[in-house]
Amino acid sequence: ELKVEQNPLFLSMQEGKNYTIYCNYSTTSDRLYWYRQDPGKSLESLFVLLSNGAVKQEGRLMASLDTKARLSTLHITAAVHDLSATYFCAVDRGNTGNQFYFGTGTSLTVIP
Amino acid sequence: SQTIHQWPATLVQPVGSPLSLECTVEGTSNPNLYWYRQAAGRGLQLLFYSVGIGQISSEVPQNLSASRPQDRQFILSSKKLLLSDSGFYLCAWSISYTQYFGPGTRLTVL
Repeated sequence: ELKVEQNPLFLSMQEGKNYTIYCNYSTTSDRLYWYRQDPGKSLESLFVLLSNGAVKQEGRLMASLDTKARLSTLHITAAVHDLSATYFCAVDRGNTGNQFYFGTGTSLTVIP
Repeated sequence: SQTIHQWPATLVQPVGSPLSLECTVEGTSNPNLYWYRQAAGRGLQLLFYSVGIGQISSEVPQNLSASRPQDRQFILSSKKLLLSDSGFYLCAWSISYTQYFGPGTRLTVL
């Protein structure tokens, strides 16, 4: 069974600080995705990482993928309150139909 | 542009009652379609996925079923709801890689 683990599960950080969320997965996959979920809302796609060494950046968020280590990171630079949300990584098992397996999520609270 | 709809947005049902949740996608053809469930404070669990009309794959055994009667329509059903069926149900679609999620249905079983 494919397992996807994120840490930390909860993160409280002050505005202006940097931090990294980690996503480890248990099986070979070259495709990893990051999503954001605001309370009571659906999921919004943030990044799609399709190969080893892929790095994507959008604003204060940067995601990277190391398929050999089975690790993806989501780095937050100079956090602002608007980044408060739950962040999920998802691994694509790669079979027909792109079956995603989601991590447990990281609940981020940015304190002014 | 593509749009995904889900209804109803919220639903409160008694234990043992039937369920039907509907998902439709606009602006694309032959998408892969997915049903996920998110329990309170938890991650997403893939329930069903479909790569074409009438083609349904189930990820977890349960008292739920899914159907795809039309190319862009995906339905989640149950004959008798359990308390454990409460949660946030999300439909998603994809063509190549990224999955795009609908607004969700919040189901409470009492």
